[in-house]
Formats: sequence, C-alpha cells, structure tokens
Amino acid sequence: DQQVKQNSPSLSVQEGRISILNCDYTNSMFDYFLWYKKYPAEGPTFLISISSIKDKNEDGRFTVFLNKSAKHLSLHIVPSQPGDSAVYFCAAIDSGTYKYIFGTGTRLKVLA
Amino acid sequence: DAGVTQSPTHLIKTRGQQVTLRCSPKSGHDTVSWYQQALGQGPQFIFQYYEEEERQRGNFPDRFSGHQFPNYSSELNVNALLLGDSALYLCASSSGLYSNQPQHFGDGTRLSIL
Repeated sequence: DQQVKQNSPSLSVQEGRISILNCDYTNSMFDYFLWYKKYPAEGPTFLISISSIKDKNEDGRFTVFLNKSAKHLSLHIVPSQPGDSAVYFCAAIDSGTYKYIFGTGTRLKVLA
Repeated sequence: DAGVTQSPTHLIKTRGQQVTLRCSPKSGHDTVSWYQQALGQGPQFIFQYYEEEERQRGNFPDRFSGHQFPNYSSELNVNALLLGDSALYLCASSSGLYSNQPQHFGDGTRLSIL
C-alpha cells in the first residue's frame, strides 16, 4: 500500500516557466514533509521541507505548499532552469517512528 | 567537509551469495539509515542504526542485517541473495534519532544479482 503517491511519473516544462510537482499522502501520522532531487548516478539531495503546522515554505526559486485537509503537497519551481532536470522525490516523516516514506518520484525535464 | 560515502559503487553477485555494503556518515552525524531503491521506485526504508543498535526496521526479511561501529560507520549485509535483491542501496545519515533534520544521502551501491 503506497502511503505517499506521486501520480505523475514525468513532467516536461519550458525553461523560464513554472514547474509544479504534486504529492499525495494517506497517513495522518505524517507531520513533516521533504522534497529531494536526484540526478543520475548520484544520491538524493535535500531540497526543501515543510512542517504540518505550516501551509507554505519558500526557499529561493522553490516553494512547497501543504494542504493538510486534502493530504496533498506540491513543489513549485519558478523560474525553471535546465539544471533542474532530475527526478524529484516527495518524502513524509511518520511522527510516531520518524521513518521516512518516499513516493515513487517524478522525472522533470526542463527544455531549453 | 566529506558527505556520506558508500562503497563499493557497483557490485555483481550471483544468487545465494552474501554481500556487505559499507557507509561512512557525514561528519557530525551519528545516525545511519539504509534504503533499497528498485528501478522506477522510491527508496524503501530497510533499517536505522543509532548508538550501535538497530532502532527501526522496515518490511525486510532477516536476510538483511546490519551493524554500526563506534565511529558511526555502518555495514549492510544481505545473505542468500535473490534476483529481486538487485537494486540501488542508499545510505543516509542524520544527527540524533528522533529528528526532523533532513537525512543526507550517499551516492549508493548498485547491486546486480545474476
């Protein structure tokens, strides 16, 4: 049973436009969420996080939005750059165990 | 400042063999977690070590075992290898056991079972 879902396996966006990556979760025990970026042959790199007590967190070109009632979060990248092309993983932390639960990832391709 | 380092980078084994993967955490980190990432999937939590003890475990059989050393480095051992064990094995480190601080990942060991 997939507790963290990224329903879009891939996304293509034109350089300079906004990229929106989505993530849904089912477990109400999740209270902290993170986004990781992964390039080929490298490990995942932490990008941005958000606590369940907030609905938005911004860091430069990256903003994460959290809608607790819908159990949905999204990552916005504005403006998108070719170097942003990577696989993006959404992860949730279970507040009881502190285990990380990852989604299956979305491959973002930013076209120059 | 060295990040998380894993060795070896690639490994090829045959069914039934045993394998040991190694991880050195980022400087200042004392907690090590191991993940298995199959093709097209997200990382799946195997287990976590803190103070040389296994503290959390995911849904993996006993064939998967580990160890943490006094210098916080860690090993992942897999016995009686199956074809389905072919995957990227990622090590992640963090500071403290119960923390929302993001885990830092190594580049992984690619394990292929023939």
